[in-house]
Amino acid sequence: EPEVTQTPSHQVTQMGQEVILRCVPISNHLYFYWYRQILGQKVEFLVSFYNNEISEKSEIFDDQFSVERPDGSNFTLKIRSTKLEDSAMYFCASGGENIQYFGAGTRLSVL
Amino acid sequence: GESVGLHLPTLSVQEGDNSIINCAYSNSASDYFIWYKQESGKGPQFIIDIRSNMDKRQGQRVTVLLNKTVKHLSLQIAATQPGDSAVYFCAEMRDTGRRALTFGSGTRLQVQP
Repeated sequence: EPEVTQTPSHQVTQMGQEVILRCVPISNHLYFYWYRQILGQKVEFLVSFYNNEISEKSEIFDDQFSVERPDGSNFTLKIRSTKLEDSAMYFCASGGENIQYFGAGTRLSVL
Repeated sequence: GESVGLHLPTLSVQEGDNSIINCAYSNSASDYFIWYKQESGKGPQFIIDIRSNMDKRQGQRVTVLLNKTVKHLSLQIAATQPGDSAVYFCAEMRDTGRRALTFGSGTRLQVQP
C-alpha cells in the first residue's frame, strides 16, 4: 500500500540553524501539506501546496518557513532560523480531492 | 470563532464492547469531516470520512454519525479490540476552496483486555 514517507524521523538542531524536513508524497496525489503537532497539543495546519505553488497557509507559516517541490517526488519544508518553540512533530500529508494521508512525522528538537 | 473540540479526553472500554467517541464543531460552513487515529509515535491514520449532506456512513467496524442540527459528530467502533487503543481526532474542512484540516484536541481510547 502506498504511503507518505518522511525523513529524518528525528532531527536535532541548535537554535538559529536552518533545517530541511523531507517528504515523499504518494505518487499520484496532487495536493501536499505540512502540519505540526507540539507535544500534547492539537495537530495544526501549516501550509498546502498545489500546482507548484502555495495554495493556503496559516499564521504559523511566517517568513522563516518555506516549502519546495524540487523534483517530481520530494516535498520539503525549510525552517530558516529555528527557534526553541519550533520543537514539534512535523507531519507531511498528501491527497487527492479530500482525504489527506499522513506520514509518520519528523520530530524536530531545537536546543 | 472556528473550533472543533472533543467532549472526553480519555475513554476506557472493555475489549469486545462498542466505543463511541464524540466531537463538537462550531463552524456551520464545514462541509467535510474526517476521523483520524493516531498511535504513539505515528502520524494520523485515516479511518472514515463523511460529507455534510450525509448523516451516517459505515466502514469496517466503524460508523460515523453527523448531526448538523447540533453540530455533533461521533465515531462508533464495534467490538473494540486492543489494537484500537490510540488517540482519535476529528477534523473538519471547508470544501469551498480551503483544504486545511482543523483538528480537534483528541480523545484517548484505552481498551482493557
